[in-house]
Amino acid sequence: EAGVTQFPSHSVIEKGQTVTLRCDPISGHDNLYWYRRVMGKEIKFLLHFVKESKQDESGMPNNRFLAERTGGTYSTLKVQPAELEDSGVYFCASSLRTGGNTIYFGEGSWLTVV
Amino acid sequence: AQRVTQPEKLLSVFKGAPVELKCNYSYSGSPELFWYVQYSRQRLQLLLRHISRESIKGFTADLNKGETSFHLKKPFAQEEDSAMYYCALGPGGYQKVTFGIGTKLQVIP
Repeated sequence: EAGVTQFPSHSVIEKGQTVTLRCDPISGHDNLYWYRRVMGKEIKFLLHFVKESKQDESGMPNNRFLAERTGGTYSTLKVQPAELEDSGVYFCASSLRTGGNTIYFGEGSWLTVV
Repeated sequence: AQRVTQPEKLLSVFKGAPVELKCNYSYSGSPELFWYVQYSRQRLQLLLRHISRESIKGFTADLNKGETSFHLKKPFAQEEDSAMYYCALGPGGYQKVTFGIGTKLQVIP
C-alpha cells in the first residue's frame, strides 16, 4: 500500500513568487493534515481536512496560505506570495476516520524562499 | 488548550546506557499520547501510543495522568536509536494532533 506522498520534495523560490505543494494521502483516509516545521521550531499544525471539508484551519499563519482538497482526495497548499519566513518543511499526514488517531506522514516538502 | 513540552532538545547517552526522553502535556480532557520518531533521511513515523501499552524496539512509555507525563524509556540504548523523537498529544476523533518540539537522541558508540 502506498504511503502519503508529497510533491515537490524540495523547492527553492524567490520572495514574492508562488508555490503549490501537493499531498496524496493514503487511499481511504478521510483525515488529511498539513503541518510545518520551521528551522529550530516545533512541528506546527496548519490545518485539517475531513474529506473535502476544512475541519480546523486555526494554524494557518495568514491569508497568503490557501489549502484545498477538492473531491476529498489529494490536497494542495498554495503560498502566494511567498515570504522568507515561509521557509521550512511542510508535512502532510493522513489518518483513518475510525480506529484511533494514528497519523501517517509524508516525507515532507522542503521549501526555501530566497 | 493543548500543549506538549519536551524540555530537552538534545540528549546524548552512551551505547548500553538507559534512555529517558521526557514529555509533559497539558490538556483538560482525556488525552491520547503518542511518540513519533524520525530517523535520518526517513519520514516521521509512529513509534508507540499509550493506549496500546506496547513495547516497540525496546521502548516503552507510561501515561502518568497525575504528573501529566508520557516519558519514553529504554533500558539499554543502541546506536540505531539515534533519531529525533517527538511526543504528540491527540484528543482523538477529528481533533488535531499537537507535537512537542522534539528531542534529538544521540547514542554514542
